[in-house]
This record gives sequence, C-alpha cells and structure tokens, in this order.
Amino acid sequence: ELKVEQNPLFLSMQEGKNYTIYCNYSTTSDRLYWYRQDPGKSLESLFVLLSNGAVKQEGRLMASLDTKARLSTLHITAAVHDLSATYFCAVTNAGKSTFGDGTTLTVKP
Amino acid sequence: GAGVSQSPRYKVTKRGQDVTLRCDPISSHATLYWYQQALGQGPEFLTYFNYEAQPDKSGLPSDRFSAERPEGSISTLTIQRTEQRDSAMYRCASSPGLNQPQHFGDGTRLSIL
Repeated sequence: ELKVEQNPLFLSMQEGKNYTIYCNYSTTSDRLYWYRQDPGKSLESLFVLLSNGAVKQEGRLMASLDTKARLSTLHITAAVHDLSATYFCAVTNAGKSTFGDGTTLTVKP
Repeated sequence: GAGVSQSPRYKVTKRGQDVTLRCDPISSHATLYWYQQALGQGPEFLTYFNYEAQPDKSGLPSDRFSAERPEGSISTLTIQRTEQRDSAMYRCASSPGLNQPQHFGDGTRLSIL
C-alpha cells in the first residue's frame, strides 16, 4: 500500500524567512503533485513533477523531486503572509492518487 | 462549465437514510475522481472514472458506497444506509486525462445525525 508522509504537519514562520516542507512516499509512482488549500476552500494545483531531478518554480515556491530517495521538497523563499495555507503532496499510480496529511503553514508578520 | 461543481454544498441526514451527491466536472475532462476528506487530513481516494468506465473503485469503504457516471460527464456518489462514520467532506475532481493535475470542486459537507 502506497503511503505518503509529510513533515512538518504544522509550520509557523516569520515573514522573510526560508523553509522547506518534505514529502516522502513509500513506493514508485507515476508522478507527484503539490496542491494548496486555503481554509474552507478547495484544493488548487501548484506543481506536477514527472521525473527524477525535476524542479519547478512559481514565485516564492520551488518544488523538486528525487525519485531514488522517494522524496519531494517544497521550498519557501522569503515567506509572505499570502502563503499561509495547507500544502498537500500527492502521488499517483495508475490513476489512483494518495495524498499526505498536509502541512499547515502560518506566516506571521 | 468553468469549474467543477458539486451539489449540495451541505447535507444533513439521519443515520440509516440514503444520500446521493452530485458532481458536474469541467466539460472537456475525461477523468473524474471522488475523495473523502476528514477534518485535518488529506483527501482519501474513493474511486475514479475514465469517461463512463470505472477502472478503480478500491477506495470505496464498503458496499454501501457506489458511484456512477453513465454518460461520461456528470457523476453521482450514493451512500446507502448512512452511518455516523460517513460524516465527512466529499470532494470531486476532474482532469483532462489520467495522471494530469486535478481540478477540485468545493465539496459536499455530509453530516449524519
């Protein structure tokens, strides 16, 4: 059974600081996704990572994938309050997606 | 449509009743997914459709749960003889094809009394 673990589950950081969220998964997968969920809202797709060494960047967020280590990271650079949300990684295999429990990020002024 | 639409937004029902949830995906999307999301957790896969075919329903918790997508667009998720443990947010998502980024609906919050 595919398992996806994220850490930390909760993260409080100050504006302007950098931090990394980690996503480990237990078996090989087709691809890995990062989603964002604001409180009371639905999930929004951020990145899809297809192959080993893939790196995607959008604004202050950068995601990478190491398929050999079965690890993806989401790096936050110079955090701003607007980034406060819950971030999920998800791994797909033959159509079935398995999500982590999410990392709830709070950025404080 | 412009996005994935789910109805109703909220459903409260008594234990033992049947409920049907509806999902209207983005019109061009071939693939449709159903998830159950408990508070503070990530979505848990229930089943998915590729057009009207349902290749994987391994996530459905019991035979009380069933899903349909008879014409390859709108889908329904039916829970028979509801139990309190069925209370959760039920989310639908669609994507242009398999293994592509999913577009999620706002969900149906189901409460079983």
